[in-house]
Amino acid sequence: EAQVTQNPRYLITVTGKKLTVTCSQNMNHEYMSWYRQDPGLGLRQIYYSMNVEVTDKGDVPEGYKVSRKEKRNFPLILESPSPNQTSLYFCASSLSEPVADTQYFGPGTRLTVL
Amino acid sequence: DAKTTQPTSMDCAEGRAANLPCNHSTISGNEYVYWYRQIHSQGPQYIIHGLKNNETNEMASLIITEDRKSSTLILPHATLRDTAVYYCIVLYNFNKFYFGSGTKLNVKP
Repeated sequence: EAQVTQNPRYLITVTGKKLTVTCSQNMNHEYMSWYRQDPGLGLRQIYYSMNVEVTDKGDVPEGYKVSRKEKRNFPLILESPSPNQTSLYFCASSLSEPVADTQYFGPGTRLTVL
Repeated sequence: DAKTTQPTSMDCAEGRAANLPCNHSTISGNEYVYWYRQIHSQGPQYIIHGLKNNETNEMASLIITEDRKSSTLILPHATLRDTAVYYCIVLYNFNKFYFGSGTKLNVKP
């Protein structure tokens, strides 16, 4: 089944403890992206990647890192999480540049930073 | 400046057409308009997209004004399962999405 998977789905952690949220897609998509969703603010793009080893900042990249060493994986790294990073996170992918293709979203990761 | 503006919420009777407006007055000539929806806190689901011409698919129709400053998503026969938050999204700089806050559509029996 074609899908975008994220792990973990739920995570409670403490301030300053490094964490990684994994994202994987099995559709051979080139474009991948991370979003965060907060009440009243819709989805905001954190980082995106056009292809392997090509990443760029979205609208809210501060406090996050990403890497794209393989086409199928696009992990989101929080080196030193803070409470303001408590949010619902979505990973998405599309076959090529999104101007020509639709994005498929993962199920979401609900992160709480205490 | 917000790239898109949508009403916060709308109601629609089951079986009737739902017309969801979106203002994107700062859109430039090469920027697409996308519509996605999100049911509860699930991952958003693609509905339709367009550049200049009106578009239709099995889910909905998209009407874009001639000046491209606004658009309307039409769900022809809304069902209870169409209750969701609908996002009008502008893709800018070819690679970045602006989602905005969306419209909560309540379909009522």
